[in-house]
Amino acid sequence: AQSVTQPDIHITVSEGASLELRCNYSYGATPYLFWYVQSPGQGLQLLLKYFSGDTLVQGIKGFEAEFKRSQSSFNLRKPSVHWSDAAEYFCAVASGYSSASKIIFGSGTRLSIRP
Amino acid sequence: GAVVSQHPSWVICKSGTSVKIECRSLDFQATTMFWYRQFPKQSLMLMATSNEGSKATYEQGVEKDKFLINHASLTLSTLTVTSAHPEDSSFYICSARGVPDHNEQFFGPGTRLTVL
Repeated sequence: AQSVTQPDIHITVSEGASLELRCNYSYGATPYLFWYVQSPGQGLQLLLKYFSGDTLVQGIKGFEAEFKRSQSSFNLRKPSVHWSDAAEYFCAVASGYSSASKIIFGSGTRLSIRP
Repeated sequence: GAVVSQHPSWVICKSGTSVKIECRSLDFQATTMFWYRQFPKQSLMLMATSNEGSKATYEQGVEKDKFLINHASLTLSTLTVTSAHPEDSSFYICSARGVPDHNEQFFGPGTRLTVL
């Protein structure tokens, strides 16, 4: 069965510094991968998604992620973080695209921003 | 993007009572809706998948008689927590997928349930 691992529970970076959040997946076929962000007490917002094609995916709010099949990874990056980026970030994998496919979430990484 | 709403945004109820949470797709037809629960500082756990007009498919370990899901129309799914107990207190989030873009789930803002 597919699964997602986010090895970092909590990361703190200084405002203006670069950011990389790690995500590893386990899935036999080509995965559909996502990154979501959740502010406290709020729902989820999709940052970006990868289905196929270019392995470097651009998302909203200046985020990007790179799919590396050889490393089973889909790490999220941002060159310069802003205080408003403080939130919980979830990596997720879907088994495919039919009405029966499901999205499985990683455990999340909490991002704090140091002024 | 498409909009999914949930009502209520929060609810407090007494132990033993039932609570209904609504999930609506506001500007698209949701052929499939998903219900998740999220405990504090934890990830989202899929509870069930529902297709419009069909019975919901529950994940292993989720009691179908306790968490009743109805997806009677293409814009509305409801989750009823029956005979709620304090351990059912959680953040419940729905998502919807459908026409025209089947390639993305759109998430609702969540419902905070507190059972006293």
